[in-house]
Amino acid sequence: GDSVTQMEGPVTLSEEAFLTINCTYTATGYPSLFWYVQYPGEGLQLLLKATKADDKGSNKGFEATYRKETTSFHLEKGSVQVSDSAVYFCALSGSARQLTFGSGTQLTVLP
Amino acid sequence: DAGITQSPRHKVTETGTPVTLRCHQTENHRYMYWYRQDPGHGLRLIHYSYGVKDTDKGEVSDGYSVSRSKTEDFLLTLESATSSQTSVYFCAISELGAGPQETQYFGPGTRLLVL
Repeated sequence: GDSVTQMEGPVTLSEEAFLTINCTYTATGYPSLFWYVQYPGEGLQLLLKATKADDKGSNKGFEATYRKETTSFHLEKGSVQVSDSAVYFCALSGSARQLTFGSGTQLTVLP
Repeated sequence: DAGITQSPRHKVTETGTPVTLRCHQTENHRYMYWYRQDPGHGLRLIHYSYGVKDTDKGEVSDGYSVSRSKTEDFLLTLESATSSQTSVYFCAISELGAGPQETQYFGPGTRLLVL
C-alpha cells in the first residue's frame, strides 16, 4: 500500500538557518504530493503541493520538488523564522484516493 | 479559513462509555473525513463520507462508527470507549475528494482522554 516516510524530529534551528525536511514515498501509479503544516493548538493547513513529476510547489518561502526518480518530496526553506515553528507533515494522494500522511516533523526555530 | 467546527474541543470520559464527536461545516463540501493523530503515527484515517448517508472505512475504523444525515454534519461515535482511543481527533472536508486537486481543510481538533 501507499506509505510516506519523513525524517525524524524534532529539528531545532536558529533564525535565518536553512531548512530541509526529508520526505520519501512509496505508491503505485502517479500520486500527488503535499506538505501540510500544523501550528500549536490548531488543525493542519495545506502548505504546498505538486501533482506530477518535476513539479515544484512553493508557498511562504517554502519549496518542494516532486522527484519521481528518487520518490522524494523534500521540503526546503532558505531562511527560517521563529514563526515557522510548527509540525510539518508530508502526504500523498495515490491509488487508494485517500490522503496518506507521514508521521510529522516538529520544527523549532530559536531567535 | 474554511468553516469547520468540532465539538466538543476537549472531553474526558471513562472506559466503556459511549462518546460522540461532531464535525460541522458551512462550506457545503461533499467529502468529510475523520482522522486520529497520535505521536509517531501522523494522521490516520478512521472513516470518511462522500455524501449524505454514504460512508466508508479508513485505515483504523475498528471501534468507531460514523453517520452523516445532513451535508453539513459528520458524527463520529465510539460505542464503548477504550484507553487506546485516547487521541486527538480531526475532522477534514474536501470539495473534490482525493486526487490531483485534492486539498483537505481541517478543523481545530478534539482532544479525547479515556480513563
